[in-house]
Amino acid sequence: GNSVTQMEGPVTLSEEAFLTINCTYTATGYPSLFWYVQYPGEGLQLLLKATKADDKGSNKGFEATYRKETTSFHLEKGSVQVSDSAVYFCALSDTGVQGAQKLVFGQGTRLTINP
Amino acid sequence: NAGVMQNPRHLVRRRGQEARLRCSPMKGHSHVYWYRQLPEEGLKFMVYLQKENIIDESGMPKERFSAEFPKEGPSILRIQQVVRGDSAAYFCASSPLALGVLNEQFFGPGTRLTVL
Repeated sequence: GNSVTQMEGPVTLSEEAFLTINCTYTATGYPSLFWYVQYPGEGLQLLLKATKADDKGSNKGFEATYRKETTSFHLEKGSVQVSDSAVYFCALSDTGVQGAQKLVFGQGTRLTINP
Repeated sequence: NAGVMQNPRHLVRRRGQEARLRCSPMKGHSHVYWYRQLPEEGLKFMVYLQKENIIDESGMPKERFSAEFPKEGPSILRIQQVVRGDSAAYFCASSPLALGVLNEQFFGPGTRLTVL
């Protein structure tokens, strides 16, 4: 079945450092890809998405490009801030019964940014 | 516009008891998804419901787990005779539409179930 593998954490960086969180997927067909972020005590929030190969999703300085040839969707940010500290989840959409858009998640990567 | 609400946020049960988790979707949303996150793992799909209908329950354990989304009131995830392995965070997500269109799922803060 479809699956997502993402970089294990935790990841600790200094403020203004460059961030990469790796994500690769296994899927039949052409799923949409997502990055979600979870701040402490809150639910998951959609950070960015890409719906087809070579699409680039971007939001709040974060970017990820849908790479079909390497089945990857790595998350990057050029200069992280303390407020970016959170858990990041890579996910793909998997169409189920009657069009149900089930999300398949990676295990999450905890990111801590030190001042 | 309030987001997805889940209650309780934390629930402690002893083995053999029942757990009821509630999810109120965002206003105007009639589609609900439940996911479970076991410790150190990603979220796993459990069930997808529309009002009064279970559409896809392929991720639900065959026994002890059930879900409903009545015409009025919140969606309920019910776990009977809980065991320690049921300890997890349970997340609910809602979306306005599901068929044929990629719609964002809006997540609640989760219910953390601990089975003693």
